[in-house]
Amino acid sequence: GENVEQHPSTLSVQEGDSAVIKCTYSDSASNYFPWYKQELGKRPQLIIDIRSNVGEKKDQRIAVTLNKTAKHFSLHITETQPEDSAVYFCAEGGVLDTGRRALTFGSGTRLQVQP
Amino acid sequence: ETGVTQTPRHLVMGMTNKKSLKCEQHLGHNAMYWYKQSAKKPLELMFVYNFKEQTENNSVPSRFSPECPNSSHLFLHLHTLQPEDSALYLCASSQELGSGDYEQYFGPGTRLTVT
Repeated sequence: GENVEQHPSTLSVQEGDSAVIKCTYSDSASNYFPWYKQELGKRPQLIIDIRSNVGEKKDQRIAVTLNKTAKHFSLHITETQPEDSAVYFCAEGGVLDTGRRALTFGSGTRLQVQP
Repeated sequence: ETGVTQTPRHLVMGMTNKKSLKCEQHLGHNAMYWYKQSAKKPLELMFVYNFKEQTENNSVPSRFSPECPNSSHLFLHLHTLQPEDSALYLCASSQELGSGDYEQYFGPGTRLTVT
């Protein structure tokens, strides 16, 4: 079955510092790993994703790394700004117990960037 | 409004009431989802519909009944709910390509309170 663990559950950093959020997964067949950002009172939105054929992807201040051997992937945010404050969810696109494909989400990380 | 819309945005209902949540996607996607978001389980998958066929029922109690009349509309019928069902109910859609990598677009959610 699918399982995604996400750490830490809360993270507080000073503006300008880096933030790292880590996730581990159990399904070796998973091949898609997106990250969603949910600001207070708003819907989750995709910010970056990575597929299993690459080890790292970067988009301006955010980057994601994937280690398929160890089954973990991480979100890195550099030069954090107050508007980065939100809840971040990792997810894996794999096969559920029923054999169907769907995203399984981690438990979320509440990031607070202190000005 | 474009993207994924949900109505109503807020709903208060008694335990003996019957109500329905509505979701509509304007993206031409072929898959739709219901999620429950609460403090206990931040993004819990409830139902998946692909090409109008229900492909997943994630052990959801029968007091929740989904309906997908076409690929653009998704309903969640509620009856005899419990106070612990109070949560934010999020709808999402995606274009499944069979490869397992698909961005999900979320609606704004319905904040449900069961009294």
